[in-house]
Amino acid sequence: QKEVEQNSGPLSVPEGAIASLNCTYSDRVSQSFFWYRQYSGKSPELIMSIYSNGDKEDGRFTAQLNKASQYVSLLIRDSQPSDSATYLCAVTGTGGFKTIFGAGTRLFVKA
Amino acid sequence: EPEVTQTPSHQVTQMGQEVILRCVPISNHLYFYWYRQILGQKVEFLVSFYNNEISEKSEIFDDQFSVERPDGSNFTLKIRSTKLEDSAMYFCASSEWGQPNEKLFFGSGTQLSVL
Repeated sequence: QKEVEQNSGPLSVPEGAIASLNCTYSDRVSQSFFWYRQYSGKSPELIMSIYSNGDKEDGRFTAQLNKASQYVSLLIRDSQPSDSATYLCAVTGTGGFKTIFGAGTRLFVKA
Repeated sequence: EPEVTQTPSHQVTQMGQEVILRCVPISNHLYFYWYRQILGQKVEFLVSFYNNEISEKSEIFDDQFSVERPDGSNFTLKIRSTKLEDSAMYFCASSEWGQPNEKLFFGSGTQLSVL
């Protein structure tokens, strides 16, 4: 059974701080990695994708991938109260059509 | 900005009844998906659909479930005889190309309540 594991949180950070979210996955041949943000009662919204080892930056967001350790992370710099949401790590394998989601980490950014 | 549209937003049904959930994917997308999320739990893959046929399905997607693209725009999920445990938020998603590199665009979901 392919799994994606995340700390459920909640993770609480003050406004302006860096929030660090982590994820591990079990399928070594996983190929694509995504971070989705989900506000309560809403649908997941893609915020970052990463496909190769290293860092990928997009605005205040940085995704990090380490395939040897089967580890993905998301850093949110200058956290804002509007970043308060559940962050879902998602993984897709080779040749497959399904994305496997982690249970998500709830983030609270305190003003 | 193009978006995935789902109707209805809420559906209440009696156990054993059939329900059809409807979706209009983004117009130039070729791959369509249904996911569901039971309250407080993970987003779970149900089925993917490409070129008018199912390309992959999960163990959840048993004989009670079916999908159809009846015309050039709609994509439907039918649950033949609903059970209490089918109560969940059902998300339709689409992507321009196939996995594994492709990002999913989700609709706003249909909250299904089976009584």
